[in-house]
Amino acid sequence: NAGVTQTPKFRILKIGQSMTLQCTQDMNHNYMYWYRQDPGMGLKLIYYSVGAGITDKGEVPNGYNVSRSTTEDFPLRLELAAPSQTSVYFCASSPEQGSLYEQYFGPGTRLTVT
Amino acid sequence: EDQVTQSPEALRLQEGESSSLNCSYTVSGLRGLFWYRQDPGKGPEFLFTLYSAGEEKEKERLKATLTKKESFLHITAPKPEDSATYLCAGRFSGGYNKLIFGAGTRLAVHP
Repeated sequence: NAGVTQTPKFRILKIGQSMTLQCTQDMNHNYMYWYRQDPGMGLKLIYYSVGAGITDKGEVPNGYNVSRSTTEDFPLRLELAAPSQTSVYFCASSPEQGSLYEQYFGPGTRLTVT
Repeated sequence: EDQVTQSPEALRLQEGESSSLNCSYTVSGLRGLFWYRQDPGKGPEFLFTLYSAGEEKEKERLKATLTKKESFLHITAPKPEDSATYLCAGRFSGGYNKLIFGAGTRLAVHP
């Protein structure tokens, strides 16, 4: 049982380039989330999904896009990368809402935009 | 606006020196208070969920408590392997299981 996996672990982008951060979970969770973590700051929610085909914006969605075609996968797309997007990105998943389930996090992707 | 604030930002302890970390939150329909541990270069790892004031949960040297305005993570006789960043997060009414995270407390336990 791998839990939540993310690829790549590290990436350096030039300003204006695009990339997709991959996230896969094998726990059959309907809820999935993307966060960014900047030094000295709490995790900020970028986008979340409550099931395949359903996504919604979090606190800091500008500059990002997501899709959810399957229960397992929740990729995060960066278009026209900017230095402000330098951060560590975490994907997470949780079971159905109805109880206050904890979120399970992946190992993160460290992204640098120069 | 719902907010979660953690203090102190950093804490240095000697091995065996007990202490507490604080997590305060705005009181507007808290539906759950979560504690996570994060090691350098890794994702947060779930520790506890607290649902109502007065509730306590324990795991090894850690005990989490909850009041109507704040939560504490008590660390009893810590060891160097307890060194990590401890994050708290609140889920507030109206969100789709969305968590609001504090900035964390960096704990260093020295032998």
